[in-house]
Amino acid sequence: DTEVTQTPKHLVMGMTNKKSLKCEQHMGHRAMYWYKQKAKKPPELMFVYSYEKLSINESVPSRFSPECPNSSLLNLHLHALQPEDSALYLCASAAIDREKSPLHFGNGTRLTVT
Amino acid sequence: LAKTTQPISMDSYEGQEVNITCSHNNIATNDYITWYQQFPSQGPRFIIQGYKTKVTNEVASLFIPADRKSSTLSLPRVSLSDTAVYYCLVGSYGQNFVFGPGTRLSVLP
Repeated sequence: DTEVTQTPKHLVMGMTNKKSLKCEQHMGHRAMYWYKQKAKKPPELMFVYSYEKLSINESVPSRFSPECPNSSLLNLHLHALQPEDSALYLCASAAIDREKSPLHFGNGTRLTVT
Repeated sequence: LAKTTQPISMDSYEGQEVNITCSHNNIATNDYITWYQQFPSQGPRFIIQGYKTKVTNEVASLFIPADRKSSTLSLPRVSLSDTAVYYCLVGSYGQNFVFGPGTRLSVLP
């Protein structure tokens, strides 16, 4: 079990669908992250939110749209994805006000785009 | 941001001690060194973190030399369940933590 909960665990969507990934944490962390991980590759940073504001966007295509409605929730809205977007999407959080706070990861959403 | 390099893969046998070294030549003064373990289809899991010298917890030790340009994760007496990918990350709070390629450890019976 992890302290960061991601839903759904698995998602299959067509290229014309709109879907959302959800991430939730109740550790009081004010930094939240989205990573994308392809098979046998390291996690690749997509977005960083600090105090519910988008602070880093690593040149992610606009078909991925992040949202942080409050300090506990992080969403990733998906629209018009391509098959190559199939991957494990990981959410993480960290305490932004403590130097030593490591990243806490969820177990991810396995996304398949058909 | 400090870039990290690690061996791509390592093999070991059950019961042996495994040492994985990570190089981070341009580490900043405020940066901490953190190691994660990842199993297939799971998120990375925190193992240990340090700033300098030696840190030990119930699962691993972390050795950091005085110049902090490298670090070594030591796993005592590995078992088959330690087969995983190990990543070292360097950074401080609020930063965009970037993963290096990681080290794929295979523990053989």
